[in-house]
Amino acid sequence: QVQLQQWGAGLLKPSETLSLTCAVYGGSLSGFYWSWIRQTPGKGLEWIGEINHRGRPSYNPSLESRVTISIDTSNNPFSLRVRSVTAADAGFYYCATHVPSSIGALGSWGQGTLVAVSS
Amino acid sequence: EILLTQSPATLTLSPGERATLSCRASQTISTSLAWYQHKPDQPPRLLIFDASTRATGTPARFSGSGSGTDFTLTISNLEPEDFAIYYCQQRTQRPPITFGQGTRLEIK
Repeated sequence: QVQLQQWGAGLLKPSETLSLTCAVYGGSLSGFYWSWIRQTPGKGLEWIGEINHRGRPSYNPSLESRVTISIDTSNNPFSLRVRSVTAADAGFYYCATHVPSSIGALGSWGQGTLVAVSS
Repeated sequence: EILLTQSPATLTLSPGERATLSCRASQTISTSLAWYQHKPDQPPRLLIFDASTRATGTPARFSGSGSGTDFTLTISNLEPEDFAIYYCQQRTQRPPITFGQGTRLEIK
């Protein structure tokens, strides 16, 4: 299965924009959905949104007004931007994709990025 | 939005015992359910998908069952490395994909 490697700034001030990127190794972006998931303090896992290889995004309604997911099919990576962050956005952020046989099964994950929000 | 409710919130067992974790969906989702194991400082690990199919590398002591609205993850003969948080997740209606709130499996 594919390997995902993510990177981005881990320390933000309130109102700044969180920006993360995820690169795919060992596979093609074609035919897959590429997701972002987070785990905030005291909470479980929360799906942020996803994008397909054609560049069509889908977002969690609770975050949709502040989130943009994009993809660069020529150069591989897909990216997450969350605008106007607050302390409630702090936590671990993961990129992920599904196994080939089931779009509902997130079988490949990035290593995670710990995001802190502090003034 | 489909809500997933996991029970119990915490399960305390000893190695060698059997763990039974439940996940209930607010609407029928056929068998479109996955289970994940999550340990600190690691990404979640897919264990089971399509309600009962083991992911590559999932030990045989993990089994999933259920359809419609009620699902179960069973771990027979608990090993020390099995103590973690377990999440169920559905993907029949988008947006969003939803996760349950998790069951913490802790050592007695």
